[in-house]
Amino acid sequence: EVQLVESGGGLVQPGRSLKLSCAASGFTFSNYYMAWVRQAPKKGLEWVATISTSGSRTYYPDSVKGRFTISRDNAKSSLYLQMNSLKSEDTATYYCARPVTGSFDYWGQGVMVTVSS
Amino acid sequence: DIVLTQSPALAVSLGQRATISCRASESVRSSMHWYQQKSGQQPKLLIYGASNLASGVPARFSGSGSGTDFTFTIDPVEADDIATYYCQQSRNDHTFGAGTKLELK
Repeated sequence: EVQLVESGGGLVQPGRSLKLSCAASGFTFSNYYMAWVRQAPKKGLEWVATISTSGSRTYYPDSVKGRFTISRDNAKSSLYLQMNSLKSEDTATYYCARPVTGSFDYWGQGVMVTVSS
Repeated sequence: DIVLTQSPALAVSLGQRATISCRASESVRSSMHWYQQKSGQQPKLLIYGASNLASGVPARFSGSGSGTDFTFTIDPVEADDIATYYCQQSRNDHTFGAGTKLELK
């Protein structure tokens, strides 16, 4: 059974940093691209980052480019999201997701990040 | 960015057909996908590639369309289908519609 379990969320002040982790199991992690998708409270979904199987290629929307960094450790079947210079508008539930043929076929349960002073 | 437009809500009776539309600001060919999100849960993939049923998803769910106009259908609607439904395109990066909340009439 595919499982994606996020961790590392919490309350952080504006301008500070936070690193999220996602532990994957139930599939050969190194064979799949991976991604992060977020959802602000009572709002819709927003794609945040995607990483290739080896980690050599990464993709971001303009809203987080230059501030967020996605990475992975295939030996540990783990995905990460380093978030720097956090803003109040980054407050959201962050989901780890597996992209396949353009869709996201598995999602974690999500981890909450609150950016507030 | 490609913008996806969905109606905010749809009221339907149990046992009836529910049809949700999604319009893209430019062609996404068949790179359209549909998700169900129940309150407090993560999204669940239902339809990929505009019309392909995801693994384990009941045949009551279906999708159609190409280019800029897409339709997602539930027929018949069951009580467990009450949720918010999102479309998502992958033609150019990834963007999601704002969601359509399915409500009981």
